[in-house]
Amino acid sequence: QSVLTQPPSVSGAPGQRVTISCTGSSSNIGAGYDVNWYQQLPGTAPKLLIFGDNNRPSGVPDRFSGSKSGTSASLAITGLQADDEADYYCQSFDNSLTDSVVLFGTGTTVIVL
Amino acid sequence: QVQLVESGGDLVKPGGSLRLSCTASGFIFSDNYMSWIRQAPGKGLEWVSSISPYDNALYYADSVKGRFSISRDNAKNSFFLQMNSLRADDTAVYYCATSSNAFYDTSGFTWGQGTLVTVSS
Repeated sequence: QSVLTQPPSVSGAPGQRVTISCTGSSSNIGAGYDVNWYQQLPGTAPKLLIFGDNNRPSGVPDRFSGSKSGTSASLAITGLQADDEADYYCQSFDNSLTDSVVLFGTGTTVIVL
Repeated sequence: QVQLVESGGDLVKPGGSLRLSCTASGFIFSDNYMSWIRQAPGKGLEWVSSISPYDNALYYADSVKGRFSISRDNAKNSFFLQMNSLRADDTAVYYCATSSNAFYDTSGFTWGQGTLVTVSS
């Protein structure tokens, strides 16, 4: 089954902006399926951060934003804070001839320097 | 608010079976797709299976097809994952999750806290 590829880690100093890419293909992101993003703090369950490509659930700061173009999506974090240090996953869907599946990205660890 | 509580995780021998349960509250259970997603120790998230609101559509990852079976009981606001022929690489925290009334959901997953399944002799 297909995969969504993310960089293993990104880093930035407090206050800086970092971006996380999520690269798919024509059968998933490129087919127009929405991309969602999740934040997973150490030892906890994932939490929805962005849904429908670029929408924030209630309570998520506007420092987090999502975008999508072609076969890729991105998550941007501005004004980086120490408690943003976590793992981040993109998620979308894939529909081949035989299967409909949920896809998760490979995951990215954000390191606050 | 939405609450999902998993149970049933345990230590099981390779080739064994286990049944996970998830009980939901805070939303209209019979309206939503329900899913199982797992995370092996130190690894990323892997979708396992999803079930439509009224059982007529079941979805499985290739890695569990033919071994795992998903089901639900709308009267009890619960759904289940029957896991057979378990292997060491099935060892993971298993999360239950809900989305919306569509498989190709635009609203994202809401997650439970997870239950640990360990497959080892």
